[in-house]
Amino acid sequence: DAGVTQSPTHLIKTRGQQVTLRCSPISGHKSVSWYQQVLGQGPQFIFQYYEKEERGRGNFPDRFSARQFPNYSSELNVNALLLGDSALYLCASSERGLAGGHTQYFGPGTRLTVL
Amino acid sequence: EDKVVQSPLSLVVHEGDTVTLNCSYEVTNFRSLLWYKQEKKAPTFLFMLTSSGIEKKSGRLSSILDKKELFSILNITATQTGDSAVYLCAVTISNTGNQFYFGTGTSLTVIP
Repeated sequence: DAGVTQSPTHLIKTRGQQVTLRCSPISGHKSVSWYQQVLGQGPQFIFQYYEKEERGRGNFPDRFSARQFPNYSSELNVNALLLGDSALYLCASSERGLAGGHTQYFGPGTRLTVL
Repeated sequence: EDKVVQSPLSLVVHEGDTVTLNCSYEVTNFRSLLWYKQEKKAPTFLFMLTSSGIEKKSGRLSSILDKKELFSILNITATQTGDSAVYLCAVTISNTGNQFYFGTGTSLTVIP
């Protein structure tokens, strides 16, 4: 079975622009979470979606939004990009919601550079 | 404020050595603690711990959780160069929304 896939792998944007990142979970997984990982830091939780509903939100501004589609794939949108948004964006899927303690499996990430 | 702290931040050992990585946490509504290995991009899952005192083992790696003292350790015996990576500890909590907190990680370098 394919693992978690993300697209694109790399992206370069300029300040003020908007970006959309995409994630496809492992087949059968209904939960998708998004993380931002700045160089030298651990991943920071942005959102969790389960069954197309937001189930968790980290401490990120409203410029960050996400959604989950009926096929359980997900998009992360970031508006009005800032230099500080440059990071590796990781998507992770799990069978069910995080509250059940189910482990997550990570995709390879999208490297976003904001100039 | 919920937080997860890992120590040491970095470690350099020789092949064959045994290492112990530490993860302490201060969170409300603790659910589980997970260990991941991150070599280049995607963290790969190692262990999930929910109960105190029960050791999880996989080959040369083992981990245990102490919910009273709020910490976990990850042991790697007979280290190999392929063990070189960043080891991440994460804690899941559940209050009004599910949260998943990572520590900064421990960078392990194993030299031949």
